[in-house]
Amino acid sequence: GNSVTQMEGPVTLSEEAFLTINCTYTATGYPSLFWYVQYPGEGLQLLLKATKADDKGSNKGFEATYRKETTSFHLEKGSVQVSDSAVYFCALIKNTGGFKTIFGAGTRLFVKA
Amino acid sequence: GAGVSQSPSNKVTEKGKDVELRCDPISGHTALYWYRQSLGQGLEFLIYFQGNSAPDKSGLPSDRFSAERTGGSVSTLTIQRTQQEDSAVYLCASSDPGQGKNIQYFGAGTRLSVL
Repeated sequence: GNSVTQMEGPVTLSEEAFLTINCTYTATGYPSLFWYVQYPGEGLQLLLKATKADDKGSNKGFEATYRKETTSFHLEKGSVQVSDSAVYFCALIKNTGGFKTIFGAGTRLFVKA
Repeated sequence: GAGVSQSPSNKVTEKGKDVELRCDPISGHTALYWYRQSLGQGLEFLIYFQGNSAPDKSGLPSDRFSAERTGGSVSTLTIQRTQQEDSAVYLCASSDPGQGKNIQYFGAGTRLSVL
């Protein structure tokens, strides 16, 4: 079946550090891949997405590249800020046979000043 | 409306009582999802509505949980005979898969506390 696996958190970094949150997936066919972010006390919101192999999604300094050969969609940011502290969810959606989204367990990021 | 609206934002109930949680999706969105997020946990899929198709109820944890979507818009998630383990944040999301975007827009959630 379809699944998403994220690195366990929490991840604690100092401001301006480099961030990587690993995400791998299992899916038949060619899913679309997403990163959602949940700031404290808020609902989830889309951070970035990629719809086909080798696409790079980017937003707010975050990037992720759809790697079909390694079934991965790792989230990276070159220099994190305190305001990036949140929970990050990797997700996939199949583009055929229904549109149910499969979410990873989430990775909590703490950024210290 | 401009976004997905959920009500109430907080609900405290006694064990054994029934509760209803409401979700108003973004106007025109044909897909609607319910998720449960327990403290410190990820998202647990509950149910998915798409247009007039039969809903995907595969995530409902027990027969105490049910949901309906009236007129293809507003949805109500009902939990009967609540238990303490039902305490969680219940999130609703909607999307417009007809545009091929498949981006889900989430409400702020309803925090349910069962005493």
